[in-house]
Amino acid sequence: KQEVTQIPAALSVPEGENLVLNCSFTDSAIYNLQWFRQDPGKGLTSLLLIQSSQREQTSGRLNASLDKSSGRSTLYIAASQPGDSATYLCAVEETSGSRLTFGEGTQLTVNP
Amino acid sequence: DTGVSQNPRHKITKRGQNVTFRCDPISEHNRLYWYRQTLGQGPEFLTYFQNEAQLEKSRLLSDRFSAERPKGSFSTLEIQRTEQGDSAMYLCASSPRGQVNTEAFFGQGTRLTVV
Repeated sequence: KQEVTQIPAALSVPEGENLVLNCSFTDSAIYNLQWFRQDPGKGLTSLLLIQSSQREQTSGRLNASLDKSSGRSTLYIAASQPGDSATYLCAVEETSGSRLTFGEGTQLTVNP
Repeated sequence: DTGVSQNPRHKITKRGQNVTFRCDPISEHNRLYWYRQTLGQGPEFLTYFQNEAQLEKSRLLSDRFSAERPKGSFSTLEIQRTEQGDSAMYLCASSPRGQVNTEAFFGQGTRLTVV
């Protein structure tokens, strides 16, 4: 059974810092890995999707990397802003179009 | 493209009542998923449709839960005889047809409170 773990569970940083969120998964035979953002009481917003054949994806200040063989992904946020405060979730898809298995998320607070 | 739409956004019900939620996926997305999320946890998979066919159901989906997707468009999730443990956020997601781009897009969720 696939298990996804996110470290740290919570993170508080001052504005402007670069930061890294970690995600690990137990079964490396994945199809895709997706990072999401969730604001309190809201749904999930897709940030980045990395296909299993890719090593990284970038969108603006966000960069996600994937090391499938070691079962790890990182989300790098550059020059953090208070508006980045949210919970960040990673999820793996084991076969094309199948269910997503989520981690428990990292709750990020960026202080002005 | 207006995104995935879920209704209602909030539902408060008494224990033992039946509730039904609706999800309208992004048009032309043939895959539709239901997840449940409790406070402080990541979403947990409930069920999955490809077009109108329900292809997978989680063990979390007890006999009191039923989902449909008639004509492969919108979907409904019904919970019968609600229990307090059913209180959660119910999330719907859709993803496009095709084998490469399977990016999932989520709705804003329906928050269920059973009192």
